[in-house]
Amino acid sequence: AQSVSQHNHHVILSEAASLELGCNYSYGGTVNLFWYVQYPGQHLQLLLKYFSGDPLVKGIKGFEAEFIKSKFSFNLRKPSVQWSDTAEYFCAVMGNDYKLSFGAGTTVTVRA
Amino acid sequence: EAGVAQSPRYKIIEKRQSVAFWCNPISGHATLYWYQQILGQGPKLLIQFQNNGVVDDSQLPKDRFSAERLKGVDSTLKIQPAKLEDSAVYLCASSLGAQTSRDTQYFGPGTRLTVL
Repeated sequence: AQSVSQHNHHVILSEAASLELGCNYSYGGTVNLFWYVQYPGQHLQLLLKYFSGDPLVKGIKGFEAEFIKSKFSFNLRKPSVQWSDTAEYFCAVMGNDYKLSFGAGTTVTVRA
Repeated sequence: EAGVAQSPRYKIIEKRQSVAFWCNPISGHATLYWYQQILGQGPKLLIQFQNNGVVDDSQLPKDRFSAERLKGVDSTLKIQPAKLEDSAVYLCASSLGAQTSRDTQYFGPGTRLTVL
């Protein structure tokens, strides 16, 4: 079975700062990788996903993530955050069983 | 397009009582999931349906949890009797394709259960 580790529990930033959230997974086979976001009072929604091909994937709202196979990592980045990026971010991995395994999440607070 | 609907949004019960949650997936979605999200953790899959059949219930505590998806549309998740450790948010999600697809899962707002 696969597992996911998110390095930071809570990140606090100022507007315009750059954001990087770490995600590492453990799984020996082919993986599909996801970042989900939950804005305050809203549903969990997909931010971006990686299945194959270019390891640098772009998602909604200016987010991107890079898959580094050798490091079992799929870190999320945004060059310049806005107050509206305040949310909880979840990394998830899907293996050959087609089941999503989520990390514990990182709460991001952006100060105006 | 209407999203995944869940009710109730909040529920407070005492231990040993029973409780049921309801989910209406996005129209046409074949696969339905129930997740449990305990405070400070990510969602954990409890059970997965494709149409009205159970695909995976390996993580469902079957001594107290049950779920059904009649007619392959709506689904209910029941806990009987509830324990303190069942306090969590119960999320329903649905996806368009079959169980063996990588279709995006769309999540509902969740039901926050507090067991006293």
